[in-house]
Amino acid sequence: KAGVTQTPRYLIKTRGQQVTLSCSPISGHRSVSWYQQTPGQGLQFLFEYFSETQRNKGNFPGRFSGRQFSNSRSEMNVSTLELGDSALYLCASSVGTDGYTFGSGTRLTVV
Amino acid sequence: GQSLEQPSEVTAVEGAIVQINCTYQTSGFYGLSWYQQHDGGAPTFLSYNALDGLEETGRFSSFLSRSDSYGYLLLQELQMKDSASYFCAVRTNAGKSTFGDGTTLTVKP
Repeated sequence: KAGVTQTPRYLIKTRGQQVTLSCSPISGHRSVSWYQQTPGQGLQFLFEYFSETQRNKGNFPGRFSGRQFSNSRSEMNVSTLELGDSALYLCASSVGTDGYTFGSGTRLTVV
Repeated sequence: GQSLEQPSEVTAVEGAIVQINCTYQTSGFYGLSWYQQHDGGAPTFLSYNALDGLEETGRFSSFLSRSDSYGYLLLQELQMKDSASYFCAVRTNAGKSTFGDGTTLTVKP
C-alpha cells in the first residue's frame, strides 16, 4: 500500500514569499500531523487535522496555517517567509493509536 | 504543556547493547512511542507503549513506567546500520504527539 506522499521534495523560496506544501496520507488514515525539523533539532509540532478539522495546534505564529480536504489530503501554508523558516517539513498520518507513518518531507530553503 | 528529556548522544560498539532513556512531563498521558531517523531520511516508527512494562520487537525493546514518567528503548546486538537518531514521543489523550530532541546513536566497529 502506498505510503505518505509529500510534494514537492525540495523548494527554494525568497523571503516574503508564501509557500504551500502538500501531503497525501495513507489510504484510510484520517489523521494528518505536520512537523517542522531544523538541523540538530527535534520535531516541532505544527498542527494536526482529523476529518477536515484542526484538532491540535503547536506554538507557531499565525503565518503557519493548514487545512485538510474531504479525501484526507492536507496542505500547509506559510506566508511571509522568513530565513528561519528554512527546515524539513514532515507530514505524518496515523489511524487510531498506531504510530505515525511519516512522509519523506519537503525541504524548504528560504533565501 | 509537554516536555521530554533524552540524552543527546550515545556511542556503543557493534554487537553491544545500548539503552536510550526518556523522561517526560505531560498532562493527559496516553502513550510513549519511539522513532528512528537516519540522516536525510524520514522518521520511522519503532514501538509504542501505553501500559507499563516491556514490549519486544526483534532486537529492539521498549519499556514504560507510567508512575515514574519514564521509558527507554533497548537495542541489542547492535549493528552499524543502527547508527541513527532516536526520538521518543509522548501522545496525549487529545491525540497530540510531542517529540523529544532526539538521541544520536553512533555504533563503532
